[in-house]
Amino acid sequence: DVKVTQSSRYLVKRTGEKVFLECVQDMDHENMFWYRQDPGLGLRLIYFSYDVKMKEKGDIPEGYSVSREKKERFSLILESASTNQTSMYLCASRRSGIMNTEAFFGQGTRLTVV
Amino acid sequence: GDSVTQMEGPVTLSEEAFLTINCTYTATGYPSLFWYVQYPGEGLQLLLKATKADDKGSNKGFEATYRKETTSFHLEKGSVQVSDSAVYFCALSEGQDKIIFGKGTRLHILP
Repeated sequence: DVKVTQSSRYLVKRTGEKVFLECVQDMDHENMFWYRQDPGLGLRLIYFSYDVKMKEKGDIPEGYSVSREKKERFSLILESASTNQTSMYLCASRRSGIMNTEAFFGQGTRLTVV
Repeated sequence: GDSVTQMEGPVTLSEEAFLTINCTYTATGYPSLFWYVQYPGEGLQLLLKATKADDKGSNKGFEATYRKETTSFHLEKGSVQVSDSAVYFCALSEGQDKIIFGKGTRLHILP
C-alpha cells in the first residue's frame, strides 16, 4: 500500500521557535508538495519540489522554507513560528512523467503556535 | 491563472437523499479533473478523476462527468449514507506538477 507519512499528527510550538515538519513517501515519486489547510480557504500551496535539491514557491511561501536532500523526504521549515501559522499542514507526492496521475496525501500535521 | 470554484457548504442531507456538489473551473488548456475526499482526522484521498472531455469518473457510488462546454465537473451520488460525511474537494491539474484545489465542501448526512 502506497504511503506518505508525516512525522507528527499534532504539534504545539512557541512563537519564535524554528519548526521542522517532516514528510516521507515510499513510492519513489519525483514531485512532493506542502499545503496548508484553513477553514474557508481550502488548500493553499506553500512549496513544491520536482527533484532532489529543487524547489519552487507556491502561492503562500512567506515565512516558510523547504529542504529536499533525498528523493523520499521533503521537509517544511518555519524559520520563526508565528501564531498566524497555526494550521493543518498536508504533505503530498505525485509521480512525474505520466500525465493525469493523482497526488497521494499524508494524514496531516495540526500545528498550534502559542 | 487556473482556478476551481465549488459550492460552499456545509451541505446537510438526510440518509438516502440525492447529492450534488457543484464544481466549475477555469483553465488555459485541457486539464485533468479530480474529486478528493477528506474524512475526519485524515488527509485527502482520491475519490475519482476524469482526464478528457465527456469522461465520467466513478467510485463508491459517486460520479462526475467532465463537461468542457460548461467547464464543470459536478459530483453526484444517488443515495448518500452517514459514512459519506466528509469534506469534498474539486481539483484540476494541467500537467505533471501541481494540483489546484477548490475550497472544499463539508457534507453532513443525518441518519
